[in-house]
Amino acid sequence: KNEVEQSPQNLTAQEGEFITINCSYSVGISALHWLQQHPGGGIVSLFMLSSGKKKHGRLIATINIQEKHSSLHITASHPRDSAVYICAVPNYGGSQGNLIFGKGTKLSVKP
Amino acid sequence: EPEVTQTPSHQVTQMGQEVILRCVPISNHLYFYWYRQILGQKVEFLVSFYNNEISEKSEIFDDQFSVERPDGSNFTLKIRSTKLEDSAMYFCASNTPGGTRSFYEQYFGPGTRLTVT
Repeated sequence: KNEVEQSPQNLTAQEGEFITINCSYSVGISALHWLQQHPGGGIVSLFMLSSGKKKHGRLIATINIQEKHSSLHITASHPRDSAVYICAVPNYGGSQGNLIFGKGTKLSVKP
Repeated sequence: EPEVTQTPSHQVTQMGQEVILRCVPISNHLYFYWYRQILGQKVEFLVSFYNNEISEKSEIFDDQFSVERPDGSNFTLKIRSTKLEDSAMYFCASNTPGGTRSFYEQYFGPGTRLTVT
C-alpha cells in the first residue's frame, strides 16, 4: 500500500508570493493527482501528471518518478487561491485504481 | 465539460436510520468510486465498482454499506444503520478509458455532507 506525505500542513502567504507544496509517496506510480478543496468541501481536480511538468495558468505541477516526489507551485498567489491542496496517488502503485490521499496543505493567502 | 453530480448536498439523519447517497457519474464512464472525508481528516477510499460489481473495498466498507447502480445512470451508496461516526463528507468519482482526459484521471462530484445525530 502506498503512503503519501505532504508538506507543509499549513501555509500562510502574502498576495503575490510564490508558493510551493510538496508531496512524497512510498510506492512507485505512473500518475499522481493534485486536487483542490475549497472551504465548502468540494474537490476539484487540478492536475494529473505522470512525468515532467504541467502548467495551468498560475499553477505548475512537477513530478520526479524516480525520487517519488511531486511539487505544486503557485505563482503570483492571490487570496482566491486560499484552499486545501491535496496530493493523491494510486494505492497500489501504477496509474489506476482507488486513490490514497495526503492530509492536505491548507493555504491561506492574505491580501 | 461534463460533471459528476451528487444529491443531496447535505443530509441530516438520526442514528440507526438508513441513508442513500446518490451520484450521477459522467454518462460514458465505466469505473465508479466512493470516498469519504471525516471532518479534519484526510479523504479515504471506500469502494470501487466496475461492470456492475464491487472491484475493491476498504476495511471501512463493512456490512452496513452497500453500493448499487440501479438504472445505468445513478450510482448509490447505502448506509443501513447509521452511526455517529459515519458523519462525513462523501465523494463520488468516476473515470473511463478513451475519454477526453487521461483514463486514470478521476472526476469528483461535489460531495454529500452527512450528519448523523
